[in-house]
Amino acid sequence: EVQLLESGGGLVQPGGSLRLSCAASGFSFSSYAMSWVRQAPGKGLDWVSGITASGGSVYSAESVKGRFTISRDNSKNTLYLQLNSLRAEDSAIYYCAKPRDYSGSRSGFGNWGQGTLVTVSS
Amino acid sequence: QSALTQPPSASGSPGQSVTISCTGTSSDVGGYNYVSWYQQHPGKAPKLMIYEVSERPSGVPDRFSGSKSGNTASLTVSGLQAEDEADYYCSSYGGSNNLVVFGGGTKLTVL
Repeated sequence: EVQLLESGGGLVQPGGSLRLSCAASGFSFSSYAMSWVRQAPGKGLDWVSGITASGGSVYSAESVKGRFTISRDNSKNTLYLQLNSLRAEDSAIYYCAKPRDYSGSRSGFGNWGQGTLVTVSS
Repeated sequence: QSALTQPPSASGSPGQSVTISCTGTSSDVGGYNYVSWYQQHPGKAPKLMIYEVSERPSGVPDRFSGSKSGNTASLTVSGLQAEDEADYYCSSYGGSNNLVVFGGGTKLTVL
C-alpha cells in the first residue's frame, strides 16, 4: 500500500524558513517523479513544485521560484521542500503527491499524503 | 486567480446527472490530452477520479466520466448519490514551464 507521510509544518514568522519532509513507502520511490501541492484554508489546489525520479530536474510555480526548493533522497525514500522567505500567502496545507504512473505529473496524482499545515504569521 | 476556470458550484438531485466544466487555453487543456479530475471531501486529501481526459482509475465508479472539446474539459457525474457531494478540481498538464495547472474548484451539492 502506498503511503505518503508529510511532516515539518508549523507556525513561522514572515520571512522565516521551514523544511517539509514526505516519507514514502509501499512503492519504488526512486522510480517516480514527485510533487508538492498546497491548499490555502478554504481555497483551491495549487501546484507548487515537482522533481524527476532521479532528482536531476526540478520545476516550480512562478509564485515560489527563488524561495522554495524541492529535493529528494532516494536512499531514504524521502521528498523535501525547503521554504524560505515565507509570506502570509504561503499559509496552506502542503501535500506530497505521487503520479499515477511513470509518465509523471501529467498522468494525474494517484496518491496523496494527509498534508502538513504551514502557517505564516507574526 | 486559477489558471483553469470552473464554475464555483453545481447541484443535482439524487439519480440525476450533473456536468462540471473546466476551461483553459490551447497551452494547457486544449494542447494536451492530460486533463485530470479530483474529488475532495471536507478535511480529506484529494482523490483522483479521472485522468487523461476520460480514463478512470481502478475503483472509481463508472458513474464518473470525462470528456474534452477544444479548450474545455468536462466531468459528468451520472446517477448522483449523496456521497458524491464534494469539491471537484480539474487539472491539466501545462507544458514544461508550468507542469500542472489546477482549476479553482466546484462545490457539488446533492439536493
